[in-house]
Amino acid sequence: GENVEQHPSTLSVQEGDSAVIKCTYSDSASNYFPWYKQELGKGPQLIIDIRSNVGEKKDQRIAVTLNKTAKHFSLHITETQPEDSAVYFCAASRDNQGGKLIFGQGTELSVKP
Amino acid sequence: DVKVTQSSRYLVKRTGEKVFLECVQDMDHENMFWYRQDPGLGLRLIYFSYDVKMKEKGDIPEGYSVSREKKERFSLILESASTNQTSMYLCASRNQGRGYEQYFGPGTRLTVT
Repeated sequence: GENVEQHPSTLSVQEGDSAVIKCTYSDSASNYFPWYKQELGKGPQLIIDIRSNVGEKKDQRIAVTLNKTAKHFSLHITETQPEDSAVYFCAASRDNQGGKLIFGQGTELSVKP
Repeated sequence: DVKVTQSSRYLVKRTGEKVFLECVQDMDHENMFWYRQDPGLGLRLIYFSYDVKMKEKGDIPEGYSVSREKKERFSLILESASTNQTSMYLCASRNQGRGYEQYFGPGTRLTVT
């Protein structure tokens, strides 16, 4: 079945460093790739997304890149801050699935001051 | 702001009990989703609903059922709770006509003893 693999499962960086989280997907028809951030005690919240007709998208300190040929996409966070500490989930979807998302396993990011 | 609320933050039930988890959204969203979240497994879709009285099985529907009698409310039912259903349960909603973003509630931590 459709699958999204996410790595690493945990990531620890120093404040100010960059963090990169990578995902691969199995369904070549997938065309929408969101990233969600889950803070402690809260539900996940969308932070950035990308469609398959775009290779890269940036929003301030976060960016997402997509390689459709290789079926992988990545989240890049620059100049990390302690408030970036959270669990991050990637996901994939395609148009005829009624908005259904297939999520990766999650990455727990810890930013040390 | 979209608000998705879940009836309980923490719930403790005994094996064999019938359990109801309630989710309410206040933005007139057509689609609603139930996920369970387990460490190392990410978010897995249990059931989703395109609209009132409509439901579709997700990836792990066994042992669960759902009810959507009103647009704003989506209930998850554990017919006979078992210890392997101890988990975090997340509800989400989505505006069908406005992209793919899902809005999540804060989650219900269910423990079955």
